[in-house]
Amino acid sequence: NAGVMQNPRHLVRRRGQEARLRCSPMKGHSHVYWYRQLPEEGLKFMVYLQKENIIDESGMPKERFSAEFPKEGPSILRIQQVVRGDSAAYFCASSPGAGPQETQYFGPGTRLLVL
Amino acid sequence: GDSVTQMEGPVTLSEEAFLTINCTYTATGYPSLFWYVQYPGEGLQLLLKATKADDKGSNKGFEATYRKETTSFHLEKGSVQVSDSAVYFCALTAGGYQKVTFGTGTKLQVIP
Repeated sequence: NAGVMQNPRHLVRRRGQEARLRCSPMKGHSHVYWYRQLPEEGLKFMVYLQKENIIDESGMPKERFSAEFPKEGPSILRIQQVVRGDSAAYFCASSPGAGPQETQYFGPGTRLLVL
Repeated sequence: GDSVTQMEGPVTLSEEAFLTINCTYTATGYPSLFWYVQYPGEGLQLLLKATKADDKGSNKGFEATYRKETTSFHLEKGSVQVSDSAVYFCALTAGGYQKVTFGTGTKLQVIP
């Protein structure tokens, strides 16, 4: 059973460009979470999605950031008009359910560098 | 809101030394507690977890006990190896779904 897949692993963008980060959850997992890790910091929750629904986006900046998890295909985190402060590692996690004892399984991350 | 506080690093130990990384938490209700490990350039791997008071999570020689009375979940290992060098994150989930709240991480460096 393959783990959580993320691509690309590294992404370089110039200020003002768009960044698209993809996450394929583990097989059988319908819950996806995105986290951001700034340099030398812990992970911060951004958004929680189930298939075709955003459940909680309380950690996501109101502007320029959006996320989706369509019925078919991977979850996408989209950052429009990137700025240098968006440079970070973005991690996706998935779980089979949302119960209080479920474990999230993390992907290897996408490291975004904005020049 | 929920929060996790863990000891600041870096922690430098000699091989075979005893390891303790302190972690305390604040949460509503009865959280589940986790330790994740992040090796350089990689994602997070679940190391161990405990879901109720007095539970002990253990894996690869690491262990941590869920202490509700002191709201703590300290990570311990009796004899560290160079290969244990990594960043360790204490974390919790609380409430109806799995939004994970992380501590800031503790970098461990084990020298031969």
